[in-house]
Amino acid sequence: AQSVSQHNHHVILSEAASLELGCNYSYGGTVNLFWYVQYPGQHLQLLLKYFSGDPLVKGIKGFEAEFIKSKFSFNLRKPSVQWSDTAEYFCAVNPFMYNDMRFGAGTRLTVKP
Amino acid sequence: KAGVTQTPRYLIKTRGQQVTLSCSPISGHRSVSWYQQTPGQGLQFLFEYFSETQRNKGNFPGRFSGRQFSNSRSEMNVSTLELGDSALYLCASSLEVGEGNTEAFFGQGTRLTVV
Repeated sequence: AQSVSQHNHHVILSEAASLELGCNYSYGGTVNLFWYVQYPGQHLQLLLKYFSGDPLVKGIKGFEAEFIKSKFSFNLRKPSVQWSDTAEYFCAVNPFMYNDMRFGAGTRLTVKP
Repeated sequence: KAGVTQTPRYLIKTRGQQVTLSCSPISGHRSVSWYQQTPGQGLQFLFEYFSETQRNKGNFPGRFSGRQFSNSRSEMNVSTLELGDSALYLCASSLEVGEGNTEAFFGQGTRLTVV
């Protein structure tokens, strides 16, 4: 079965700082990749997804992620974070042709105003 | 378009009891997946149903079961509840957006507390 590893458990940044959250997965086949965000008290929301094509994908709220196949990585980035980005971020992997999505442990992001 | 609806939102049960949670997917979505979210274990995949059939199953004991109805609504059941079953149970419905590509939409979850 596939597994997903997120490098940081808790990241603390000041507003306007740049963000990069690491995500690595292990799975031998083709995968669909996702980043979800969970704001305090809210449900999981999709930030962005990669299915195929351009490995640099853009999502909502200025987030982007880069798929590097050779490194089995799908890192999330944002050039300048805002206080409202305070949330928990989850990387997820779904094998192509299956619906068996596995999540990383999550990274809690705290942005100080 | 209505989102994924889970009922009830909160539930308190006693050890040894059983519980049934309900999920109504987004209209047109035929796949429903269930997840357990806890602070210690994070988000863990329970199972996935498609057209009333369980297609995938995570690594949970047989006390956890589910089913899907012809209208795609799904229920999950936990029998002989244990304290460790206290968690947020999330349901996600999925749309196939291209051959083999699925995108999952999550409900608010049911917070189960076992006392």
